[in-house]
Amino acid sequence: DAKTTQPNSMESNEEEPVHLPCNHSTISGTDYIHWYRQLPSQGPEYVIHGLTSNVNNRMASLAIAEDRKSSTLILHRATLRDAAVYYCILNAGNNRKLIWGLGTSLAVNP
Amino acid sequence: ETGVTQTPRHLVMGMTNKKSLKCEQHLGHNAMYWYKQSAKKPLELMFVYSLEERVENNSVPSRFSPECPNSSHLFLHLHTLQPEDSALYLCASSQDLFPAGINNYGYTFGSGTRLTVV
Repeated sequence: DAKTTQPNSMESNEEEPVHLPCNHSTISGTDYIHWYRQLPSQGPEYVIHGLTSNVNNRMASLAIAEDRKSSTLILHRATLRDAAVYYCILNAGNNRKLIWGLGTSLAVNP
Repeated sequence: ETGVTQTPRHLVMGMTNKKSLKCEQHLGHNAMYWYKQSAKKPLELMFVYSLEERVENNSVPSRFSPECPNSSHLFLHLHTLQPEDSALYLCASSQDLFPAGINNYGYTFGSGTRLTVV
């Protein structure tokens, strides 16, 4: 199963953009890139996913490198409520479960 | 409200107790999952149900016993647990089993039950 590598922690200031990196050098052609986040005392929640093209939704943007070996989750204006652990996960589909890592713990300073 | 409700939110139990965790979803999803999240460890998948049938049991000790009476409810029965079983237990659901694809938005998790075994 292909794995991902993320920094353990990052820090940002409120109302500034945040770029959360993820490396997945062993990604296969059919792996989708999924991002979840886990707020304190909550379960993970879906943020965004993509395959090859960049994706935007109301929560974030996902920028995928042309070779697909890395991706970046972009929060355009961080708020205090965005403080969470962010997980980058490869979803191989084909009835295969997600492989979770430890994610990136994002702190947002007021 | 995430759409997946877990009760209780917190549970303290002795090693000789028997207790149950409950999970409920009214999203019309067909698959439900139990995960364990220990401190400083990745989420561990414990059990998987699809259309009320258990399809995966990831080498979980028998002191954990799942039950899925219908597609909306999932239970985790606990007995004679050990202190190392203390963790956050998360329930999740998905429309299809192990969802994937560009139009598939993955899993919906509950807020979890924080279990402490004393």
